Amino acid sequence: GEDVEQSLFLSVREGDSSVINCTYTDSSSTYLYWYKQEPGAGLQLLTYIFSNMDMKQDQRLTVLLNKKDKHLSLRIADTQTGDSAIYFCAEDTGRRALTFGSGTRLQVQP
Amino acid sequence: DAGVIQSPRHEVTEMGQEVTLRCKPISGHDYLFWYRQTMMRGLELLIYFNNNVPIDDSGMPEDRFSAKMPNASFSTLKIQPSEPRDSAVYFCASASYGGMSEAFFGQGTRLTVV
Repeated sequence: GEDVEQSLFLSVREGDSSVINCTYTDSSSTYLYWYKQEPGAGLQLLTYIFSNMDMKQDQRLTVLLNKKDKHLSLRIADTQTGDSAIYFCAEDTGRRALTFGSGTRLQVQP
Repeated sequence: DAGVIQSPRHEVTEMGQEVTLRCKPISGHDYLFWYRQTMMRGLELLIYFNNNVPIDDSGMPEDRFSAKMPNASFSTLKIQPSEPRDSAVYFCASASYGGMSEAFFGQGTRLTVV
């Protein structure tokens, strides 16, 4: 079955790098996503990676994918207080509905 | 487009009452999803539609929950009768698939059943 796991909480200081990790179990996932949820809001797509890629960089964001270990990570460089939010990884196995992890709450301390 | 629109934003109701949550997807999107978010269970898929047809409702908790999509621009999620354990934030999302596709989420409806 599908099960996406994340650690629940991460605290970093402003200016440091944040690394949020995710493991998934469905090897047929075509795309893997990172969504961001700010307080009182819905989820917004942050970035995504296609399953045949190992890495994707987008400004301060770096996504690493290890298909062998089914491990996905999101690195945020120079983390700012505005990055404080809940981050969800999600997989698209082709059935069109995303399966989300439990979310990692990122707290950025000034 | 104004994005996915959900109403109401907040709903407080008494146990046993019927609750109807509403969603207007983004125009042109042919997939619509209902998710429920709680602290204990995270984000769960309840049901999703393709071209107004329910495709997978295996996430619907029980018969008290029902969802409809009478046309491409409107969907409802109904709980009858409601129970305190239904308290959660309910999200509607829509997407149009072609390769990588982004699911756009509404702001959610925070439901409290007392």
